[in-house]
Amino acid sequence: SQQGEEDPQALSIQEGENATMNCSYKTSINNLQWYRQNSGRGLVHLILIRSNEREKHSGRLRVTLDTSKKSSSLLITASRAADTASYFCATADGAASYGKLTFGQGTILTVHP
Amino acid sequence: DTAVSQTPKYLVTQMGNDKSIKCEQNLGHDTMYWYKQDSKKFLKIMFSYNNKELIINETVPNRFSPKSPDKAHLNLHINSLELGDSAVYFCASSMGFWNQPQHFGDGTRLSIL
Repeated sequence: SQQGEEDPQALSIQEGENATMNCSYKTSINNLQWYRQNSGRGLVHLILIRSNEREKHSGRLRVTLDTSKKSSSLLITASRAADTASYFCATADGAASYGKLTFGQGTILTVHP
Repeated sequence: DTAVSQTPKYLVTQMGNDKSIKCEQNLGHDTMYWYKQDSKKFLKIMFSYNNKELIINETVPNRFSPKSPDKAHLNLHINSLELGDSAVYFCASSMGFWNQPQHFGDGTRLSIL
């Protein structure tokens, strides 16, 4: 079953602007992860945030997690044309999930030069 | 050096045939996964192995059979291929399965004629 739902489904911005993508999920989680997928390629891991964390940064990326609202957001600051890709959130459920990730349907980000 | 490599990259075959996809990782990870991504980019886990032991076996037809000869390899054999099997199949690996990011291969695009 699908856990994460992402919003918006597509986002088109100009280079230099910030991009924000949101992810909502339904059940309790152990961690939430964000991945990027360039066209025709595999997924690349961006950030993992645990259920007891509220915010994480990695370079131009900032991820927040609100477990009370069962939601997360990914902010990409000062976007570049090379950031054009699909972005997926994935949740790892609680105990006994053995690392099973449940993915959302993704946000397609287009950054225009 | 490619971290997670899959072969073949493209597979075009007739309905009813049997085919295999191979996956190898050189990251020293002990957990490997197979995912299926459909035409709407929805990614769903199929199987996972930890130290050659099957730990995730989602509801997939028994025409799909994974095999892990050692920790660095996870192959997927599909019998009696059907039109609905057309998709991109991704292999991934991680070090353990608890709070770990997953590293993906570039996928095998399977097309059934």
